[in-house]
Amino acid sequence: DAEITQSPRHKITETGRQVTLACHQTWNHNNMFWYRQDLGHGLRLIHYSYGVQDTNKGEVSDGYSVSRSNTEDLPLTLESAASSQTSVYFCASSEGGAGTDTQYFGPGTRLTVL
Amino acid sequence: GIQVEQSPPDLILQEGANSTLRCNFSDSVNNLQWFHQNPWGQLINLFYIPSGTKQNGRLSATTVATERYSLLYISSSQTTDSGVYFCAVERSGANSKLTFGKGITLSVRP
Repeated sequence: DAEITQSPRHKITETGRQVTLACHQTWNHNNMFWYRQDLGHGLRLIHYSYGVQDTNKGEVSDGYSVSRSNTEDLPLTLESAASSQTSVYFCASSEGGAGTDTQYFGPGTRLTVL
Repeated sequence: GIQVEQSPPDLILQEGANSTLRCNFSDSVNNLQWFHQNPWGQLINLFYIPSGTKQNGRLSATTVATERYSLLYISSSQTTDSGVYFCAVERSGANSKLTFGKGITLSVRP
């Protein structure tokens, strides 16, 4: 069965360190998204991609970057982790194009920055 | 940007009761989805419903796009329905990007 996975599921890091969160989907979807979830804010879009070599900034992109070198993966990098980036991070994918564009979510990564 | 408001913010039900969750949005939308986040944090897509009515078992949803709202109905609630329900919309022209409401926390008591 097709799926979307994230790793690691839990991560503790220190302020100033670079951190990369992995997202891998086997749906062969064109679109991929990264969100963060914080109490009182719901889910907010960090970065997104409509295909290989395409990346775009979302609502809360400062301090984050992504790259899309193939269809399956969209890693999220925190260049210099800050305590404000402590959050739960979700990756999602959707087929894109015309028709039903349902988003499917990964299990999430809980990141703590000390 | 588009505003998405969900109500009520919290809901407590006795098992077997019915409930209606509401989502209001401030602009025209191409896409509206309802998600359930279970107590383990997993987000599950319930409905893709930019307009009209859909049913899936005890759950149904209706979107009236011209009046900018959507309703999620839960009938004969079960403890496994507990969690947070999110409405997310794609503003017309936003090209697949979803804006989420803050969610409705549902607790179903046995």
